[in-house]
Formats: sequence, C-alpha cells, structure tokens
Amino acid sequence: DAKTTQPTSMDCAEGRAANLPCNHSTISGNEYVYWYRQIHSQGPQYIIHGLKNNETNEMASLIITEDRKSSTLILPHATLRDTAVYYCIVRAYSGAGSYQLTFGKGTKLSVIP
Amino acid sequence: DTAVSQTPKYLVTQMGNDKSIKCEQNLGHDTMYWYKQDSKKFLKIMFSYNNKELIINETVPNRFSPKSPDKAHLNLHINSLELGDSAVYFCASSQAEISGAFFGQGTRLTVV
Repeated sequence: DAKTTQPTSMDCAEGRAANLPCNHSTISGNEYVYWYRQIHSQGPQYIIHGLKNNETNEMASLIITEDRKSSTLILPHATLRDTAVYYCIVRAYSGAGSYQLTFGKGTKLSVIP
Repeated sequence: DTAVSQTPKYLVTQMGNDKSIKCEQNLGHDTMYWYKQDSKKFLKIMFSYNNKELIINETVPNRFSPKSPDKAHLNLHINSLELGDSAVYFCASSQAEISGAFFGQGTRLTVV
C-alpha cells in the first residue's frame, strides 16, 4: 500500500472548518483513500473513504485531487469532540475478503474553544 | 447497543500467566481483526479472520493464538505473558473489503 504523509499536528477554532491534508504521491490506480480518527482512550473510528471522486457523509467530506496524489478531509464545523488523531490510510482491494490497515502517526487535531 | 465489544477493558497480570481477551460483534460482518497499539501509539494488525478462517497472520509470537468459534466472535489467547506484551489490544470487524472497519474500545493489558 502507498505511503501517506500528514502534518504532525493542527489547531482549529471551534465552529470553523477543519481541513486536514494528506499526501499520497505514490498512490496507484486501485488504491482507496481512507480516513479514521482516534479520540483519546477510544478505538479508531472510521470516517470516510474514496477512490477518485469527492465524497461526503454525515461526518465529513473527502476531497481528492484530480491526480489523486493528495487529499483533504474536511470537518465542516469542528467541535471540541472532534479533537483526536486523524489517520489517512491508502490501501488496495486485494480480493482476499479482508484487509489490513497500516496506521501511520496521523495528525493530532486540537479544536480550540 | 455496542457494535464491537471487548472484554475485559482492563487486564493486569503477572509475567508468565496465560490470559484471554474476548471480542464479539453484532454487525453481521464476515471479517474480524486484532490490532495492537503499543506505548508509542502505533497501531499494527496482528490477525484477520474471514468467515472463521485465518487470512492475515502478521509476525506475531506463537504465544498469541486467535480463536474464532463463529463469525461473530474472535478471541485472543496469550500464553506465557511477557512485559513487552503490555499494550492496548483492539478488535475490529468489517463487512465488504471496501467498507470501513469498526473497532472496539480496546483492552489495556498490563503485564507486571
């Protein structure tokens, strides 16, 4: 699976949009971009994933550049509860029925009151 | 109604003991996983089971033995516990390979 690069930490004012970047310049055509987050002392939580098109769900939006070499996770109105470590993961579909997620160091997002 | 539940949440035990961590998912997923998060907060996969069959077995000491009695359960048994086994262990499940994985709340294992 392709390697990802994320900033170590970011701050965001409460109520503002949080834009978390991820670089995956070596991504191949069959690899998906996934975002998870881990709030302190909890298990990782799936947020969103995408292949080529931008995606939106009730939690966030995922913007993938046209060349797919980078993406941005957008939390439209950050709250204090969004303070967490956010992981950008790239992985391919293997057809084996299961997959492994390779977690990096992620981005520590702090939402400031 | 918890989707992926693990028990116990905390486990403190002495070196050399044998212990088990249980995991159950009520999502009807076909695939279950065990991940380990060490003191540096890195999450690494240990095992993956699909329909009760072992699919992924990363480089894990054979003191660790997963057991899947049915699709909804994946238990982790650890023999002869060592200090280095201290970590948080997360169980997870997923349905289709493309979908997201759901994680449990973790079991914090402390070996003294």
